[in-house]
Parts: sequence; C-alpha cells; structure tokens
Amino acid sequence: GENVEQHPSTLSVQEGDSAVIKCTYSDSASNYFPWYKQELGKRPQLIIDIRSNVGEKKDQRIAVTLNKTAKHFSLHITETQPEDSAVYFCAARKRGKLIFGQGTELSVKP
Amino acid sequence: DVKVTQSSRYLVKRTGEKVFLECVQDMDHENMFWYRQDPGLGLRLIYFSYDVKMKEKGDIPEGYSVSREKKERFSLILESASTNQTSMYLCASTHKVYEQYFGPGTRLTVT
Repeated sequence: GENVEQHPSTLSVQEGDSAVIKCTYSDSASNYFPWYKQELGKRPQLIIDIRSNVGEKKDQRIAVTLNKTAKHFSLHITETQPEDSAVYFCAARKRGKLIFGQGTELSVKP
Repeated sequence: DVKVTQSSRYLVKRTGEKVFLECVQDMDHENMFWYRQDPGLGLRLIYFSYDVKMKEKGDIPEGYSVSREKKERFSLILESASTNQTSMYLCASTHKVYEQYFGPGTRLTVT
C-alpha cells in the first residue's frame, strides 16, 4: 500500500524567513497531493494541492513542488508570519483514499 | 459553505462500553471518512464509505465498525472500547472532487 513519510517533525523559523516541509511517497500510482494546515484546537483545512500532471503550483506565499520521478513533494512558505504557526500534513491520494504524513509542527517566532 | 459536524467534542467512556460517534454533513457528499489522529502518527484512516450502506476498511479498522444508513450521516462504532482507543477522531466528507472537509473532531478518552 501507499506510505507517506514527512520531514521534519518540528520546524522553528524566525518571522520573515522561509519554511520548507518535505514528503516522500511510495506508490507511483498516487495522483493527487494535498497539504492541510491544522491550527491548535481546530480542524485540518486544505491550503494547497497539486496533481500528478503538474510540477509546481503557487498561491501567494505558499507553493508546492512535485518530483514524480523521485516520488517526493514539498511545501514552501515564504515570508513566514506568526499566524503560519500550525501543524501541516501532506497526503497522497490513491483510489479515493488519502494517506497522510506524520505532520510537521511549524513555529514562527516574532 | 460546507458543514461537517460531529456529535460530541469531548467524550469519556469506560473500558468495555459500546461507543457511537456520529458525523453529519450537509452538502450531499457521496464520500465520507473516519480518521483517528495521534501525535507523531498523523491522520490514519479507519473506515470510509462511497455510498449509502457501503463501507470499506481503511488502514486501522480493528476494533471499529461503521454504519451509513443515510447519505448525510456516517457513524463510527467502538464495539468494546479499550484504553488504546483513546484518541482524537476526525470525520471528513468529499464530493467527486478532491478536497476533504473535516469535522471539528471528537476527543475520546477511555478509562
């Protein structure tokens, strides 16, 4: 089955710096890769996603890149702000199911 | 605006009790999912359903069952609760597109 590994598990940056979270997946048939943000005490919410026929997607300060050959994808957050502090989950979709990574706790220090 | 609700935010049960967690969505979504969330393990899929009365096992179905008698409602059942089922339980739903909408979660403690 599909397996998704996410690194790092915790990440601390200064406000204004960039943050990068990386995920690898095992099944080349996976075709959709979303990223969810979960603020403390709240539900996960989709922030950006990418499909397997696209290499990069950007939405304001966040971007996702996908390398199908290497089976990894990354989340990039530029000009980080304290409100970016949260747990971020990557996921890979295969046959209607999402397999999630272990999560990254991002802390942005003012 | 999609709304996914769960019957309880916090629940405390005793070992051996039968526990019902309810999830309701109001957007006529076909697909519904139950996950459990534990620190360092991410979200793990317990069961999912693509249609009424249809269910499929996820990655960790042991000790759980589900029921989907109506399209808008998906129930997770712990037949005999155990302490290792203490966790955060999240329900999600999706239409024929990719984004999953999550409920607020139920924090279950089994003592």
